Amino acid sequence: DSGVTQTPKHLITATGQRVTLRCSPRSGDLSVYWYQQSLDQGLQFLIQYYNGEERAKGNILERFSAQQFPDLHSELNLSSLELGDSALYFCASSVARGQVTDTQYFGPGTRLTVL
Amino acid sequence: EDKVVQSPLSLVVHEGDTVTLNCSYEVTNFRSLLWYKQEKKAPTFLFMLTSSGIEKKSGRLSSILDKKELSSILNITATQTGDSAIYLCAVNYGGATNKLIFGTGTLLAVQP
Repeated sequence: DSGVTQTPKHLITATGQRVTLRCSPRSGDLSVYWYQQSLDQGLQFLIQYYNGEERAKGNILERFSAQQFPDLHSELNLSSLELGDSALYFCASSVARGQVTDTQYFGPGTRLTVL
Repeated sequence: EDKVVQSPLSLVVHEGDTVTLNCSYEVTNFRSLLWYKQEKKAPTFLFMLTSSGIEKKSGRLSSILDKKELSSILNITATQTGDSAIYLCAVNYGGATNKLIFGTGTLLAVQP
């Protein structure tokens, strides 16, 4: 158990809908990262937040957005869902104070199925 | 374009065999290379290799970073069925942002 929690475990929804995925980082970690893992794309970095502020963006679609709250939990919002958004969504956290040895620890993931 | 390439894509071995997984990278602003093991769900952290720590070992697993060749290997000796998983290589290339770029992984199946 990495100490990173994610809810829900599974989500099944229809095209066009909007969902929210939630992540709580490990105690003491200030940074949260979101990743998407699909069969054909592997693990893709979406976005990073550090202490409430967006720090880095990866391959995140405009239909997707995220935020990190004062208690450091984070939410990933996916809207106007398409079939191709079906994937595993992982959250990771790290201390992220600039050390080269900073390590990201992953949560159990949320499996999203868009029908 | 930054990229991480792993090989082989998959392999099947028998219990007790030794395997070597490869990872090569082309990134700007390299900070570290990480190995993760992914079984059913979440990737679990195995090793981190940096310029100041190019060799790591934990039990039957060991890893080496070759900064000249821009590559790393992960060795597993005396494999067990519990080693069956996808092994992911990732490179931290984002400077202060700690962004990771992942390879597509190597699927290892260990047969009894």
